[in-house]
Amino acid sequence: GDSVTQMEGPVTLSEEAFLTINCTYTATGYPSLFWYVQYPGEGLQLLLKATKADDKGSNKGFEATYRKETTSFHLEKGSVQVSDSAVYFCALSDLRGGSYIPTFGRGTSLIVHP
Amino acid sequence: ETGVTQSPTHLIKTRGQQVTLRCSSQSGHNTVSWYQQALGQGPQFIFQYYREEENGRGNFPPRFSGLQFPNYSSELNVNALELDDSALYLCASSSSATTGKYGYTFGSGTRLTVV
Repeated sequence: GDSVTQMEGPVTLSEEAFLTINCTYTATGYPSLFWYVQYPGEGLQLLLKATKADDKGSNKGFEATYRKETTSFHLEKGSVQVSDSAVYFCALSDLRGGSYIPTFGRGTSLIVHP
Repeated sequence: ETGVTQSPTHLIKTRGQQVTLRCSSQSGHNTVSWYQQALGQGPQFIFQYYREEENGRGNFPPRFSGLQFPNYSSELNVNALELDDSALYLCASSSSATTGKYGYTFGSGTRLTVV
C-alpha cells in the first residue's frame, strides 16, 4: 500500500539557517504530494503541493520538487524564522475507488531558535 | 468564506462510553473526511463521505461510524471507547471527491481523552 517516510525530528536550527526536511514515498498510482504544517494546538494547514512529476510547489519561502525517479518530495527553505517552528507533515494523495485519499508521514518537528 | 469547524474542541469520556464528534465543512465543499491523530503521530485516515455516502474507509473497526447530512456537515461516532482512542480527531473537506488531488482544508480538531 501507499506510505510516506520522513526524517525524524526534532530538527533544531538557528534563525536564518537553511532547512531541509526529507520525504520519500511509496505509491501504486500517480499521487499528488503535499506538505502540511501544524502549529501547536491547531489543525493542519496546506503549505504546498505538487500534482505531477517535476512540479515544484512553493509557498511562504518553502519549496519542494516532485521527483518521481527518486520518489522524493523534500521540503526546503533558504532562511528559517522563529515563526516557522511547527510540525511538518509530508503526505500523498492517491486515487482509490474514485476518491483521492491522503496518506501522511509521522511528522517532523522544527524548532528555530533566535 | 468560513473554514472547517469542529465541535467540541475537547472532551473527556470514560472507557466503554460512546461519543459523537461534529464537523461543518467549508462552504461549497461536499466531501468530508475524518482522521485520527495520536500524540506524536501523523493523521490516520478513518473514512470519507461524498454527498452523504461513505466512499472510502481506512483500517478502523466498525465501532467507528459516521454520517454526512444534506448540508454536507458530518458526524463521527465512536462506540465502546477504548483508552487507545484518545487522540486528536481531525475533519477535512474538499469541493469534491476528486479535488482531494489538490489538498484538503482541515479543522482544528477535537481532542478526545478516554479515561
